[in-house]
Amino acid sequence: AQTVTQSQPEMSVQEAETVTLSCTYDTSESNYYLFWYKQPPSRQMILVIRQEAYKQQNATENRFSVNFQKAAKSFSLKISDSQLGDTAMYFCAFIYGGSQGNLIFGKGTKLSVKP
Amino acid sequence: NAGVMQNPRHLVRRRGQEARLRCSPMKGHSHVYWYRQLPEEGLKFMVYLQKENIIDESGMPKERFSAEFPKEGPSILRIQQVVRGDSAAYFCASSPVGSGSSHSPLHFGNGTRLTVT
Repeated sequence: AQTVTQSQPEMSVQEAETVTLSCTYDTSESNYYLFWYKQPPSRQMILVIRQEAYKQQNATENRFSVNFQKAAKSFSLKISDSQLGDTAMYFCAFIYGGSQGNLIFGKGTKLSVKP
Repeated sequence: NAGVMQNPRHLVRRRGQEARLRCSPMKGHSHVYWYRQLPEEGLKFMVYLQKENIIDESGMPKERFSAEFPKEGPSILRIQQVVRGDSAAYFCASSPVGSGSSHSPLHFGNGTRLTVT
């Protein structure tokens, strides 16, 4: 069975600094995709970044980048130049290529950006 | 371009009543997914539907819960005889093709928070 683990229930960072959120996963599949979703207090789930397992290059979206270590089954999210609007729950998620829609989420990390 | 629309945003039901949650997918999306989020937890998959078909309901409780996505109209998640443990946020997501493809990440609605008193 696939599992996703986020070991940091809460984190905080000063505005303009960099923070890294960790995520590990467990799977025997070779074809899969990984995602980070952001959930602000409005409760909306917003896709931040995604990574295809077959790509060695780490995905980047503006201030957000990932460190994808396939052998270690690790998928951390780095947020650079943190902004107050980054305050939210962050969820790591996994889906394998043959899945029929079962996106598996971690329990989330609550990130607070302090002024 | 409207996103995934869910209503109501908040729903309060007494124990034993029925709850009906609605989801209109993004325009052009024919695949709908329902997830449940308990307090302090991540989202858990419940069911995957295409128009008029249930594709995967492996995450649905065996009793009291049902889902449909008719040819016309929104997808409905129905919970009969609600109990306090059903209190949660229920999210709908949609995609143009099956979400096992890297080209179709899920687009989520804002969720319906169900409170059972």
